[in-house]
Amino acid sequence: AQSVSQHNHHVILSEAASLELGCNYSYGGTVNLFWYVQYPGQHLQLLLKYFSGDPLVKGIKGFEAEFIKSKFSFNLRKPSVQWSDTAEYFCAVMMNRDDKIIFGKGTRLHILP
Amino acid sequence: EPEVTQTPSHQVTQMGQEVILRCVPISNHLYFYWYRQILGQKVEFLVSFYNNEISEKSEIFDDQFSVERPDGSNFTLKIRSTKLEDSAMYFCASKGDSGANVLTFGAGSRLTVL
Repeated sequence: AQSVSQHNHHVILSEAASLELGCNYSYGGTVNLFWYVQYPGQHLQLLLKYFSGDPLVKGIKGFEAEFIKSKFSFNLRKPSVQWSDTAEYFCAVMMNRDDKIIFGKGTRLHILP
Repeated sequence: EPEVTQTPSHQVTQMGQEVILRCVPISNHLYFYWYRQILGQKVEFLVSFYNNEISEKSEIFDDQFSVERPDGSNFTLKIRSTKLEDSAMYFCASKGDSGANVLTFGAGSRLTVL
């Protein structure tokens, strides 16, 4: 069955540290890839998405993600995190010819001021 | 920016009671979804709805669950006889035409079954 794996369940960083959150999926066909963020007490918000073209995509708030097809990965990165980045981050995948997305388990990110 | 709105934000109910969670999707969207997130676990797909019928449902979406779009604007999730394990955050989402593969989520409805 198709699945999405997020390797880090809980990450704690200091402000200004660099961030990389891993995401892998298991599906051999065409995919659309997403990262959603859920700030404390708020709803899921789209951070960035990849449909096609340049595999390095830039999202809001300085986040970017790189699609590496050969590794079935879509890791999220930010060069310098801020305290306000404290949130839960979900990787999600939409498989080819499907109209639903499947989420990973999420990574809880805690930034120390 | 258009939003998906959900009510109630939090509902507490007794086991065995019926619950209806309501969603107002973005007005020109055509595809509608319910997801749920049990505390500490991942966001799980429940059901998708298009053209006034269920297009796909997961194993979780058993006979206790139903969805309806009663009036062209609301999209409801009904749980007929709640169980303790139905306690979760339920998210509604919608998207536009089939080429626009971005789901917009609501803020969620927290259901607590006692």
